[in-house]
Amino acid sequence: DVKVTQSSRYLVKRTGEKVFLECVQDMDHENMFWYRQDPGLGLRLIYFSYDVKMKEKGDIPEGYSVSREKKERFSLILESASTNQTSMYLCASSPPRDEQYFGPGTRLTVT
Amino acid sequence: QKEVEQDPGPLSVPEGAIVSLNCTYSNSAFQYFMWYRQYSRKGPELLMYTYSSGNKEDGRFTAQVDKSSKYISLFIRDSQPSDSATYLCAMSAGMSGGSNYKLTFGKGTLLTVNP
Repeated sequence: DVKVTQSSRYLVKRTGEKVFLECVQDMDHENMFWYRQDPGLGLRLIYFSYDVKMKEKGDIPEGYSVSREKKERFSLILESASTNQTSMYLCASSPPRDEQYFGPGTRLTVT
Repeated sequence: QKEVEQDPGPLSVPEGAIVSLNCTYSNSAFQYFMWYRQYSRKGPELLMYTYSSGNKEDGRFTAQVDKSSKYISLFIRDSQPSDSATYLCAMSAGMSGGSNYKLTFGKGTLLTVNP
């Protein structure tokens, strides 16, 4: 079974804090993705990575950065958290095919 | 026109009913089609994966793809209360279509199956 884990299920941070969200997959997948999910807006791609140290911007990269130093780990960084970044964050991984496997999600609240 | 359209529902059915969930799309390059199930406050779970047109069956679930109409469906037979979730369609043009494995998602349909 594919296993994608995320460091926290729930997180509360203050405006202006630097926030790290970690994602680990155990299936040796090449591709990893970060999404946010908001009511009425669906899933929106923030960043993705198709190899170690490689990254590409998704549809809404502003205010976020990513790091992939090891194949199994993909981190999302909020440089200075803002209230409009309150959301459900979902990490996914995939082999060199199209189906993606998601983690359980991190519900982030920025106050 | 949005790239993928999915009726948000909510859809409420009695236990045992046949459920039909649908998505339409505009990009004719899409050739890989997926359905995900997402329970409340959880991550999406891959339910069905199909390539190009045709049907695929897995237990009570059947996925249909009609590329000529740009229309995909998920049928659930003998629906159960445990099927209550949000169902997301997703699709991709694949590497040959230049998508680099990115998926385009519908916004999801909320289904409730009442006992």
